[in-house]
Amino acid sequence: GAGVSQSPRYKVAKRGQDVALRCDPISGHVSLFWYQQALGQGPEFLTYFQNEAQLDKSGLPSDRFFAERPEGSVSTLKIQRTQQEDSAVYLCASSLVGTQYFGPGTRLLVL
Amino acid sequence: GNSVTQMEGPVTLSEEAFLTINCTYTATGYPSLFWYVQYPGEGLQLLLKATKADDKGSNKGFEATYRKETTSFHLEKGSVQVSDSAVYFCALSNEGGSEKLVFGKGTKLTVNP
Repeated sequence: GAGVSQSPRYKVAKRGQDVALRCDPISGHVSLFWYQQALGQGPEFLTYFQNEAQLDKSGLPSDRFFAERPEGSVSTLKIQRTQQEDSAVYLCASSLVGTQYFGPGTRLLVL
Repeated sequence: GNSVTQMEGPVTLSEEAFLTINCTYTATGYPSLFWYVQYPGEGLQLLLKATKADDKGSNKGFEATYRKETTSFHLEKGSVQVSDSAVYFCALSNEGGSEKLVFGKGTKLTVNP
């Protein structure tokens, strides 16, 4: 595909449920980033992969958040025991050299 | 730490008006600077970027100049169109490291015909 794709586009979860969000980066892009965007705010960094290695996870808000990229391509962001404050748009971006290209995001609503 | 401050919106202009959206930053070293745009219902798109002092990024009639002395990267367009209505985000990434982006809060622009 031409761009970064994410699925699902929308997810409604009951508080306490686990969710998994998928990101398909642009083919050949080494770097992959996850961001969280609350309503009316700018995106905030969550975590970064270079190939399959998670090099920076300093933005993950709690140990309920976990990300992986086992084969250096597709990535999954998992949130365990979701809370209402996890409601946000989760953005994935990939890059080759210096410029990040964003997917459409997954809008998560926790009830 | 690194941070980006954007002028607060919303900004409402008439078609063909001049646009300025102010952006200032705090960072160590020599960051790269970006403007991203988010059209209604769509994802973030890179609008323009500059990687070193005095560089000017430009695209689709928008321009921004990397001013290290004032730590600014203001976005300008001489004549806006209705189709420019969107949310604009200023962002920086530090040299080296993970290249993670630090964003401002965004400025919503509405252009009326």
